[in-house]
Amino acid sequence: AQSVTQLGSHVSVSEGALVLLRCNYSSSVPPYLFWYVQYPNQGLQLLLKYTTGATLVKGINGFEAEFKKSETSFHLTKPSAHMSDAAEYFCAVSSPRNTGNQFYFGTGTSLTVIP
Amino acid sequence: DTAVSQTPKYLVTQMGNDKSIKCEQNLGHDTMYWYKQDSKKFLKIMFSYNNKELIINETVPNRFSPKSPDKAHLNLHINSLELGDSAVYFCASINFGSGVPGELFFGEGSRLTVL
Repeated sequence: AQSVTQLGSHVSVSEGALVLLRCNYSSSVPPYLFWYVQYPNQGLQLLLKYTTGATLVKGINGFEAEFKKSETSFHLTKPSAHMSDAAEYFCAVSSPRNTGNQFYFGTGTSLTVIP
Repeated sequence: DTAVSQTPKYLVTQMGNDKSIKCEQNLGHDTMYWYKQDSKKFLKIMFSYNNKELIINETVPNRFSPKSPDKAHLNLHINSLELGDSAVYFCASINFGSGVPGELFFGEGSRLTVL
């Protein structure tokens, strides 16, 4: 079974400050991990993903995340927040095709950027 | 061209009615999903089809019936609508053929309001 926990349903940061959104996962098989962003009244868009290889992955809009197996974490960071980063962020876990094609999403973290 | 398109975008209807939401993807993907997003932004997987075959059927009332006429289409029919069905329904697609999932592409959502 797989699941994702996002700590903090709301995070506020000042413009220019570090963004840190937390995600911990549970998986009985090697996980594939994703961060998605949802802007108001839109669908979700992929920010970045980890499947295999380098554990530090870079995504769009200056975001990056590090897969830490020992901590079962995949936290999302951005060095300097921009007003346009205000959105809902979802962490997700998936598994290889032969274990079900499932994508499980966390409960989301709403990011507010204060000018 | 929109990769994953859903119709209608907005749907307002009375309790007890039957309604359908349609989804089409032009990405050549082999797997499609329906997700329900409630007012707290929680994303719950409902159904998944791989090459027209139902592979995920989560605990969803049998008033909800998915239909996949071909790989590019996945429709959702809801009978006897209830107030609790009010939500945003997202269609998504991905190619699992290689075994390593790529990007899950989402439609813009269909906002269903049951009065």
